Amino acid sequence: DIQMTQSPSTLSASVGDRVTITCRASQTISSWLAWYQQKPGKAPKLLIYKTSTLESGVPSRFSGSGSGTEFTLTISSLQPDDFATYFCQQYNSYWTFGQGTKVEIK
Amino acid sequence: EVQLVESGGGLVQPGGSLRLSCSASGFTFSTYAMHWVRQAPGKGLEYVSAISSNGGSTYYADSVKGRFTISRDNSKNTLYLQMSSLRAEDTAVYYCVKTSGSRLLGYFFDFWGQGTLVTVSS
Repeated sequence: DIQMTQSPSTLSASVGDRVTITCRASQTISSWLAWYQQKPGKAPKLLIYKTSTLESGVPSRFSGSGSGTEFTLTISSLQPDDFATYFCQQYNSYWTFGQGTKVEIK
Repeated sequence: EVQLVESGGGLVQPGGSLRLSCSASGFTFSTYAMHWVRQAPGKGLEYVSAISSNGGSTYYADSVKGRFTISRDNSKNTLYLQMSSLRAEDTAVYYCVKTSGSRLLGYFFDFWGQGTLVTVSS
């Protein structure tokens, strides 16, 4: 089974900050990686798929990069609506989620 | 507008059974693989089960294999999860999830329902 490890688990940041979340796979997953955003009490929402393709309607301040085993989600200028938990997911071999990164207000 | 509405959650005793349903609308249900993903209170996302668009292929996480059964009725645009021999560790919000393709493998999850809470407790 492919394991996904996200870091950090929690991130404290301010509005306007540039934020980067890392996701590492235990083996290569090519570019088959997605990112989801989840707010408290709500369902996850797709942000990015195939490592760097932005889902329709997602603000351009979100971007994704990487390949193989190391991937990043970047928020270029954190907005109040972005305080949430972010999960990565590999879909190269079945499906595995990272443990999540909570982005909280500093 | 895509909509996935889960139902059937509730309180059940250990060893009991429950059937979850997910009513889909706003897209051609019969052409997409569907999944169930769960989230224990305060925890991360855990993959549960998948079914291909025509129901011919299914997949289960090891944690539920032999206890849960996924199925679908394309004539009713509905996805099901039959859960039996329930344990305390099955307590979670169960999400119905639409994928971006018809086959079982190789697709990301492009839409999630709001979830239904299953509590296993005596």
